[in-house]
Amino acid sequence: DGGITQSPKYLFRKEGQNVTLSCEQNLNHDAMYWYRQDPGQGLRLIYYSQIVNDFQKGDIAEGYSVSREKKESFPLTVTSAQKNPTAFYLCASSIGVKPQHFGDGTRLSIL
Amino acid sequence: AQSVSQHNHHVILSEAASLELGCNYSYGGTVNLFWYVQYPGQHLQLLLKYFSGDPLVKGIKGFEAEFIKSKFSFNLRKPSVQWSDTAEYFCAVTPNSGSARQLTFGSGTQLTVLP
Repeated sequence: DGGITQSPKYLFRKEGQNVTLSCEQNLNHDAMYWYRQDPGQGLRLIYYSQIVNDFQKGDIAEGYSVSREKKESFPLTVTSAQKNPTAFYLCASSIGVKPQHFGDGTRLSIL
Repeated sequence: AQSVSQHNHHVILSEAASLELGCNYSYGGTVNLFWYVQYPGQHLQLLLKYFSGDPLVKGIKGFEAEFIKSKFSFNLRKPSVQWSDTAEYFCAVTPNSGSARQLTFGSGTQLTVLP
């Protein structure tokens, strides 16, 4: 079955460290997205990519970076510049006008 | 930029009660509207969507939503809730333009159904 795979499910980061969250999809979707979910705030868009080698900042891109070297993959790096990285991170993908499909998420915590 | 408001942060109902969750959006143009549901420990799933046509849309598990353009609303309803409907519900909107459908989400409503 096609879907979106996010790994790892849980991730711990030390202060000052960069960490990379993986997102892979085998749905042949063109667009991919990263959201951050915090209690009481819903989901907020970090970055999105419409095609390979292109990506755009979302509403809360500061302290994050992404790459889109392959259609199937859209990794998110949480840099040391992100002062409040503890959150639940969701990756999604879509094609055309169809609704976005979501992965199971990665929960990031700071040690 | 668009925004979405969900006025109820936590709703508690008994089984068989009727449900209505409010969702209002702000955007000057044509929009596509969605309700997503997140059951405990599961990923976000699409409940229903509105793109065009009949403003009353039916989704999975007996849910429906009505798009009222004049009120910028897209409220979610279910005539009789079940314990298994306990979940967090998110309303989302995306402009009906552009090639990437960037969703703007509301803050979510936690629904707890008591057996």
